[in-house]
Amino acid sequence: EVQLVESGGGLVKPGGSLRLSCAASGLTFSSAWMSWVRQAPGEGLEWVGRILSNSDGGTTDYAAPVKGRFTISRDDSKNTLFLEMNSLKTEDSAVYYCSTYYYTSGSHNHWGQGTLVTVSS
Amino acid sequence: QSALTQPPSASGSPGQSVTISCTGTSSDIGAYKYVSWYQQHPGKAPKLMIYEVSKRPSGVPDRFSGSKSGNTASLTVSGLQAEDEADYYCSSYAGQKIIFGGGTKLTVL
Repeated sequence: EVQLVESGGGLVKPGGSLRLSCAASGLTFSSAWMSWVRQAPGEGLEWVGRILSNSDGGTTDYAAPVKGRFTISRDDSKNTLFLEMNSLKTEDSAVYYCSTYYYTSGSHNHWGQGTLVTVSS
Repeated sequence: QSALTQPPSASGSPGQSVTISCTGTSSDIGAYKYVSWYQQHPGKAPKLMIYEVSKRPSGVPDRFSGSKSGNTASLTVSGLQAEDEADYYCSSYAGQKIIFGGGTKLTVL
């Protein structure tokens, strides 16, 4: 069974930084493409970005609102996905989910339980 | 890129069918077969219900079906059950990015 467990959320001031982690198990993590998806309180889902497997180039893509501020990375030796968030804005407040992205079907098949990030002074 | 357009709400009585639409453009839904649908109950993580427009993952009841015509995708829930009450989100690949719809709250009357 695939399990994804996010951590690292919390309260941060505008302009601050935060690093989220996602520990994966039950899958061959090194082969997995992974995404971050966020959901502001009471709002819908918003794709943040994704990272390909290193064997597929390890490249990253980002949504326009976070490009240049957020960085997705992975440590295949630890089966862990990261989201480095800099220059945080109040509108970045959300529950952040990590998910597996199956490029063959264009779908997010497995999701973590999410971690809450609150950006407030 | 703007979110895909979904109706904010939909409803039906137990046993009835309901269809939720998801409208995009020729750059997303109209261009690719990679349309998926997610169910989200309050306080829970999303769950994949449909992928590649009309395919169901293992374990998803066949009461859930998907289709696409042009720039619009649709999710149909047949034989509505109380546990189907949830938020539903469509999603489409859009060329190195993924777009979600704004979500539809499905109420079982």
